[in-house]
Amino acid sequence: EVQLVESGGGLVQPGGSLRLSCEVSGFTFSDHFMDWVRLAPGKGLEWVGRSRHKLKSYTTEYAASVKGRFFISRDDSENSLYLYMNSLKTEDTAVYYCARDNYASGGYDINDYRGMDVWGQGTTVTVSS
Amino acid sequence: DIQMTQSPSTLSASVGDRVTITCRASHSISSWLAWYHQKPGKAPKLLIYKASSLESGVPSRFSGSGSGTEFTLTISSLQPDDFATYYCQQYDSYPWTFGQGTKVEIK
Repeated sequence: EVQLVESGGGLVQPGGSLRLSCEVSGFTFSDHFMDWVRLAPGKGLEWVGRSRHKLKSYTTEYAASVKGRFFISRDDSENSLYLYMNSLKTEDTAVYYCARDNYASGGYDINDYRGMDVWGQGTTVTVSS
Repeated sequence: DIQMTQSPSTLSASVGDRVTITCRASHSISSWLAWYHQKPGKAPKLLIYKASSLESGVPSRFSGSGSGTEFTLTISSLQPDDFATYYCQQYDSYPWTFGQGTKVEIK
């Protein structure tokens, strides 16, 4: 069964740091790009960032709202994706989801992209004093 | 950044109704658009990618259309399981952006 399980959420003070984890199973993690998406209370979905795999040099992309504060990394040997969150603000309070990117076989061009097809259940981050 | 604007923000409908949600992009995004829906306390679910391609396992009552800056998601006959919040998302350029969401409520 394909599964993504997030962990590491909790209560943190403004200015603090937190590391979220996303452990995957049921598919070859190293073959996939991965994303983090969040849902703040009373708001809509917000894309946080993306991790490409080894063939794309593990490069990353970030939303402007988190760039320079959040960092995405991955450990293919542990089938895990991470989100390091620093200088946290109250507006970072949200449920954080990891999601798998799906591409047509053999391609990583935008024309081959088939959406974020598998999602975890989410982990809640609360930034408050 | 590309802004995505959905309308309406809330939609009240009955089981069996035909429902249409519109998504407009602030710049042309070709067909690089996905649709998701989300129920309270649950993870988002992919419905459509590349503006009109149906994700595997998604019922055929869902369909997407459009290109450039204007897109629509249509549910041909609303079912009880379809009451949720719907989001469009562009993946033409970074940062990827979602629309603000359309909540489909029971009339």
